[in-house]
Amino acid sequence: DAGVIQSPRHEVTEMGQEVTLRCKPISGHDYLFWYRQTMMRGLELLIYFNNNVPIDDSGMPEDRFSAKMPNASFSTLKIQPSEPRDSAVYFCASSTQGFALAEAFFGQGTRLTVV
Amino acid sequence: AQKVTQAQTEISVVEKEDVTLDCVYETRDTTYYLFWYKQPPSGELVFLIRRNSFDEQNEISGRYSWNFQKSTSSFNFTITASQVVDSAVYFCALRILTGANSKLTFGKGITLSVRP
Repeated sequence: DAGVIQSPRHEVTEMGQEVTLRCKPISGHDYLFWYRQTMMRGLELLIYFNNNVPIDDSGMPEDRFSAKMPNASFSTLKIQPSEPRDSAVYFCASSTQGFALAEAFFGQGTRLTVV
Repeated sequence: AQKVTQAQTEISVVEKEDVTLDCVYETRDTTYYLFWYKQPPSGELVFLIRRNSFDEQNEISGRYSWNFQKSTSSFNFTITASQVVDSAVYFCALRILTGANSKLTFGKGITLSVRP
């Protein structure tokens, strides 16, 4: 298995532009998590899905952020419009809820810089 | 609500020293998992260990050992005879399992520097 795949690995964009981050979870995993990592806040959970349905989006910072999971093999995190304070590394992770296999597997992350 | 506290932010040791990374968690759920992840300078998050709330056995894996104590809600991680390659950020995490509610919460991480 290729693991969790995120794209792009790096994104530099100008303030006000729309940014879309993409994630392909591990096949067979029914949970997908989006995290944001910054020096100040550490790893923050933004939203997570179970069987493509958003379960908890309380970590989404504001309406400029939205996430979708149209099918079991693809999710997007969109920021529109982007702001410099959105600069961070965004991680996607997938998991099962199986009793013996509850750990999340992370993608390589997308480093977003908004100038 | 669930919470993970890693009170230590940065630790610096000399190679071959033992070091313990502390983790305290909070949850009202009775079924949950605890994890440790390592994030080396390259940036990826590497899973180290999983523990469920019904298994308080301590675990040893090479130079790594974990001490899970429900009485104090702690899940501490000890590296014995530390090496420079152990330098990384270490995260403790908590995952509850209540139906579809399966939130995975991380602590703020501990930056470990091992000097030669």
